[in-house]
Amino acid sequence: EDKVVQSPLSLVVHEGDTVTLNCSYEVTNFRSLLWYKQEKKAPTFLFMLTSSGIEKKSGRLSSILDKKELSSILNITATQTGDSAIYLCAVEVPRDNFNKFYFGSGTKLNVKP
Amino acid sequence: DAGVTQSPTHLIKTRGQQVTLRCSPISGHKSVSWYQQVLGQGPQFIFQYYEKEERGRGNFPDRFSARQFPNYSSELNVNALLLGDSALYLCASSRTGGFFQETQYFGPGTRLLVL
Repeated sequence: EDKVVQSPLSLVVHEGDTVTLNCSYEVTNFRSLLWYKQEKKAPTFLFMLTSSGIEKKSGRLSSILDKKELSSILNITATQTGDSAIYLCAVEVPRDNFNKFYFGSGTKLNVKP
Repeated sequence: DAGVTQSPTHLIKTRGQQVTLRCSPISGHKSVSWYQQVLGQGPQFIFQYYEKEERGRGNFPDRFSARQFPNYSSELNVNALLLGDSALYLCASSRTGGFFQETQYFGPGTRLLVL
């Protein structure tokens, strides 16, 4: 069965700290891996990763995919209280005529002032 | 351009009732997917529609149904509500829903509480 596992489940850090969130997957057919940030309701898109070893970067956030290890990490440097959210990892798996997205349970990040 | 919109934002129902949730995708997007997110878990796939046809279905009972309209908006219906149906229901839109590698964009969700 296709599945996505995220760790840790929750994390408490102080402003200025650097955090690393993990996502591992076991799927029958991989197309891409996506990271989302969910603050209140709507998950907002952060990154899409398709190739191993190529880092995607946006400000203080960066992410990289390791297809050999079937995993990805999301790094946040110099964390701010506004980074407090649930970070979701999703893997896109092509099916017969559509792409199905499998989500992990998320990592809840709490950044304290 | 407006993002994905959903209505209503909140809903309270009692067991056994029926509910209809609505979603309008981003302009130009022809695919809509529905997800259920129970507290503490990631979104679980329910349906995907493209050009008014169902393309995929997750492991949900037949009490869950959906449709897509010519303007690409969509409705999710849940019959005979159970307490376990209480969740955040998310709608996501994408251009083609899977022909190409593409990103899904989520709406704000409808929070359903079943008492």
